[in-house]
Amino acid sequence: AQTVTQSQPEMSVQEAETVTLSCTYDTSESDYYLFWYKQPPSRQMILVIRQEAYKQQNATENRFSVNFQKAAKSFSLKISDSQLGDAAMYFCAYRRANYGQNFVFGPGTRLSVLP
Amino acid sequence: DAGVTQSPTHLIKTRGQQVTLRCSPKSGHDTVSWYQQALGQGPQFIFQYYEEEERQRGNFPDRFSGHQFPNYSSELNVNALLLGDSALYLCASSLVRPDVRYGYTFGSGTRLTVV
Repeated sequence: AQTVTQSQPEMSVQEAETVTLSCTYDTSESDYYLFWYKQPPSRQMILVIRQEAYKQQNATENRFSVNFQKAAKSFSLKISDSQLGDAAMYFCAYRRANYGQNFVFGPGTRLSVLP
Repeated sequence: DAGVTQSPTHLIKTRGQQVTLRCSPKSGHDTVSWYQQALGQGPQFIFQYYEEEERQRGNFPDRFSGHQFPNYSSELNVNALLLGDSALYLCASSLVRPDVRYGYTFGSGTRLTVV
C-alpha cells in the first residue's frame, strides 16, 4: 500500500520569506501523480501544485514550486515571498495514474505566517 | 458554476444513531468520492461512486455505506455511530477520467460530532 509522510507537524515563516515543506512517499508504482493541497479554516481542499511522476522537470505555479526527487521518493514544496494568506494546513497527496484512483494524503503540516 | 456542495455543515449525533450526509457534485462531474478527516490528520478514502455503483472502497467497516443518484449526487450513511466516527467528512467530485490539473473539486465538508 502507498503511504505519504510529512515529518513537520508545524512550520512558521516570516512574511515575504521562503519556507520549504517536506514530504516523502512510498510506492512500488512507476506512474503516479503527486499533489500539494492547502486547507484553510474554510476546510475546502485547494490544489496548490501537482507533479506527474514521468516528468523530470519540477512543477512551478507562481510563488509555489516543488523539488521532486523520484529515486528518493521525496516531494517538497517551496513557498516564496510568503503571504499572510498562505497560512493553512498543507497536505501532500499521492494518486496512482490509473483512472478513478483515490488520493492518499499525508498527515499535514500547519503553516503559520508571521507579520 | 457551482462547486461541490455538502450538507449539513455541522451535525451532532449520539452514539448508536445513524447519520446521512449529502453531496452535490460540481456541474459536469459524474464521480463522487468520500473522505474522512479526523482531527489533526489527513483525509482517508472511504469509497467512490460512479454510475450509481461503488467502484472503490477504502479500509472502512460496512457501517459506512453510500449511494449515488441518477443526477450524480451522493449520500454517505453511517450506522451505529461510534465516538471515533467524529470527523470532518469531505466529498470530492470529478469526471471518471479527470484531467490531472483540474480534475478533482472538494467540498467544504460536514463536521460530524458523536457524543
